Amino acid sequence: GAVVSQHPSRVICKSGTSVKIECRSLDFQATTMFWYRQFPKKSLMLMATSNEGSKATYEQGVEKDKFLINHASLTLSTLTVTSAHPEDSSFYICSARVSGSTDTQYFGPGTRLTVL
Amino acid sequence: EDQVTQSPEALRLQEGESSSLNCSYTVSGLRGLFWYRQDPGKGPEFLFTLYSAGEEKEKERLKATLTKKESFLHITAPKPEDSATYLCAVRGVTGGYNKLIFGAGTRLAVHP
Repeated sequence: GAVVSQHPSRVICKSGTSVKIECRSLDFQATTMFWYRQFPKKSLMLMATSNEGSKATYEQGVEKDKFLINHASLTLSTLTVTSAHPEDSSFYICSARVSGSTDTQYFGPGTRLTVL
Repeated sequence: EDQVTQSPEALRLQEGESSSLNCSYTVSGLRGLFWYRQDPGKGPEFLFTLYSAGEEKEKERLKATLTKKESFLHITAPKPEDSATYLCAVRGVTGGYNKLIFGAGTRLAVHP
């Protein structure tokens, strides 16, 4: 149980284009999903908290107009990196918390974004 | 400011050689300490949640313990398949109820 998927697992795009990453909870409903970014050999940094049916809450320093988050259903959240640049290249990981639970976040497999 | 420091940064063990990983934390009002395992190019896999000092949890060769300032992940008789990065995270009362603060992790390599 508590399986989270992400799509795509890997994406390469040209500078200036937009990329959408999907995060799905496969066997549970997730009122809240989270988006993290991870640099090589570094810890996970929370970018934003996504709540179903409402606006996402962004962490300090994260550009909300660049990283668009939509959480349209209890099983799907999307992260769109708009006008991507090489410095946006990173490993993006989502997590989800079981609705009604206050504790554990279950993570997806991650998406490797490379911007050329 | 909530903070998590993990040590060592990297650890190399022989198969069967038991050891411990350390997670030191500073947090305003601990609301959970979490251990995850992360394989290269993958997302973190949940291992344990600890809430209060003195608490212990076990899963196969892994045992997590918690004090008021740190947590240990004990690995007993490790096997090569235990090789991974082990991440520690805390949740406190500041920064929102959802927010996890992660350490940089300990990269464990277990050799036959």
